[in-house]
Amino acid sequence: DTAVSQTPKYLVTQMGNDKSIKCEQNLGHDTMYWYKQDSKKFLKIMFSYNNKELIINETVPNRFSPKSPDKAHLNLHINSLELGDSAVYFCASSPASGGSTDTQYFGPGTRLTVL
Amino acid sequence: DAKTTQPNSMESNEEEPVHLPCNHSTISGTDYIHWYRQLPSQGPEYVIHGLTSNVNNRMASLAIAEDRKSSTLILHRATLRDAAVYYCILRDVGTGGFKTIFGAGTRLFVKA
Repeated sequence: DTAVSQTPKYLVTQMGNDKSIKCEQNLGHDTMYWYKQDSKKFLKIMFSYNNKELIINETVPNRFSPKSPDKAHLNLHINSLELGDSAVYFCASSPASGGSTDTQYFGPGTRLTVL
Repeated sequence: DAKTTQPNSMESNEEEPVHLPCNHSTISGTDYIHWYRQLPSQGPEYVIHGLTSNVNNRMASLAIAEDRKSSTLILHRATLRDAAVYYCILRDVGTGGFKTIFGAGTRLFVKA
């Protein structure tokens, strides 16, 4: 069983379109995250949700809107896609409230290409 | 968040030990040291973490300097599957720990 899954794995789209990436975890974790890894391979946190509540929003443009319908899901909707949004997006989850010893489990990533 | 410094890349021979260093001179007393690795085309995976004492698990060992300003991840016998980018990260209990700040990491090359 896949612990943290993301769909789709690849997403190619035109500038200006709206797209969504879905994430599900079957680990029973309380906290979920979205990270962006750009072409230079730096991994940056975008959002964190704990028990469906937004905890972290790292100055991400408001074109990005996360939604957590329940603890096991954290979806990412992106409006008006721009070329600079091209990256690999990783979803992750952790057991507790993201404390100092909390371990994160990452999904396989979604490679988004904006043309 | 305190910053970590790692070499850009390292090379190892298969079945030899690998010592991956990390400097964190501005570490605070409550910062835990975490290591993750990212294999090619995969998401990062947890390796190990510790606070003050050395730690061992099935994947690796973590040696933490007495002043905690540096640490070393030890892979006892490198295999080709260990070729990855290794990230040394600090997580601070004081901030709630929600943020995990990844640096550039060390790319480990393993030669057969």
